Amino acid sequence: DAGITQSPRHKVTETGTPVTLRCHQTENHRYMYWYRQDPGHGLRLIHYSYGVKDTDKGEVSDGYSVSRSKTEDFLLTLESATSSQTSVYFCAISGMGASASVEQFFGPGTRLTVL
Amino acid sequence: GDSVTQMEGPVTLSEEAFLTINCTYTATGYPSLFWYVQYPGEGLQLLLKATKADDKGSNKGFEATYRKETTSFHLEKGSVQVSDSAVYFCALSGTSYGKLTFGQGTILTVHP
Repeated sequence: DAGITQSPRHKVTETGTPVTLRCHQTENHRYMYWYRQDPGHGLRLIHYSYGVKDTDKGEVSDGYSVSRSKTEDFLLTLESATSSQTSVYFCAISGMGASASVEQFFGPGTRLTVL
Repeated sequence: GDSVTQMEGPVTLSEEAFLTINCTYTATGYPSLFWYVQYPGEGLQLLLKATKADDKGSNKGFEATYRKETTSFHLEKGSVQVSDSAVYFCALSGTSYGKLTFGQGTILTVHP
């Protein structure tokens, strides 16, 4: 299995508080992604990174920011959490270049509840 | 933009029954197509993939054929087992950086 960990695995927070989720990989893969999973929507891309300090927005990026200062770590930040951001968040990695045929490996997920 | 539509679930089958989960897509160009599986409490795992028209992906008894003429990538298995109970996601990758577009997922429950 690809070496991907996410922390925390579960978090409950209150509306308006900042939250940072961490994705850590030991595979030295170049590409990293953050998705959120919600019933009826499958997984939707929030942000992705194609290298250290190189990031871009996905389809549901409003209210989220990311940072990647090292190859192995990709952080997702909710600056001011809202109840609509209650979800399960998955990190994924891909390493074989920008080819569309390349598999992504997924982390175990973080369940975030915003009260 | 790209989109993926999966058949509505949940799907409930008896062990050894035949499984089909329909998936159709909309994309420009020539996307790659994937089926991912998610077991309870876990992340997604790649089940199979196809990268060009008429390719057949297969793994663990599951198969899917990339049909460009019908823009479909239906998942099939001839005889399901209880251990196949999971959520199945169809996805495509058609843009740069390998970004995936997912269908909404189909919950499969197999009873003994």
